Amino acid sequence: EDQVTQSPEALRLQEGESSSLNCSYTVSGLRGLFWYRQDPGKGPEFLFTLYSAGEEKEKERLKATLTKKESFLHITAPKPEDSATYLCAVQEVSGGSNYKLTFGKGTLLTVNP
Amino acid sequence: SAVISQKPSRDICQRGTSLTIQCQVDSQVTMMFWYRQQPGQSLTLIATANQGSEATYESGFVIDKFPISRPNLTFSTLTVSNMSPEDSSIYLCSAVASYGYTFGSGTRLTVV
Repeated sequence: EDQVTQSPEALRLQEGESSSLNCSYTVSGLRGLFWYRQDPGKGPEFLFTLYSAGEEKEKERLKATLTKKESFLHITAPKPEDSATYLCAVQEVSGGSNYKLTFGKGTLLTVNP
Repeated sequence: SAVISQKPSRDICQRGTSLTIQCQVDSQVTMMFWYRQQPGQSLTLIATANQGSEATYESGFVIDKFPISRPNLTFSTLTVSNMSPEDSSIYLCSAVASYGYTFGSGTRLTVV
């Protein structure tokens, strides 16, 4: 059973058309939830870390929110340069490795001009 | 924040051979991580590498196949040994930064 599920798998938007990406997770205890952006041929680029339900963070056109079961990445008035794969990862509180990240498969966002 | 230089960026290798991937961090970091990213799949943690101790491998990954070195606090290597076409993937290293985790740019490996 997947611990981190991202939806949709792919999303096409017109420039200026706002939308949201979803990341649902099932862990016994959440240490942190991370959002990354990944461009083709590059490594993931850090966007946000969220630690507790109700927390929100913003950066330019992006806003991340967190509940006890899911996180949303809201994209307001996107531009073509926002096209990328957006990855969600969770860090679980555990008796073993507290540093392990478990990733979802990502959402491929395409913003057309 | 830590910046990671990873090389090679890509390689095409013959089956049965080995490839060593290097990651250099511009600051000292306690923990480094190696991930595999297969097409259509999520990033999967291969192992955690601490300086001065043996790497800790995740379920499904073994040291004989993916030996890791961590000689100091700024450098680590991952070797993909006795490669088969199933090893074709993107391999990424990562380190804990002040804000979370930073990643190298990845190595795209194709085994023919």
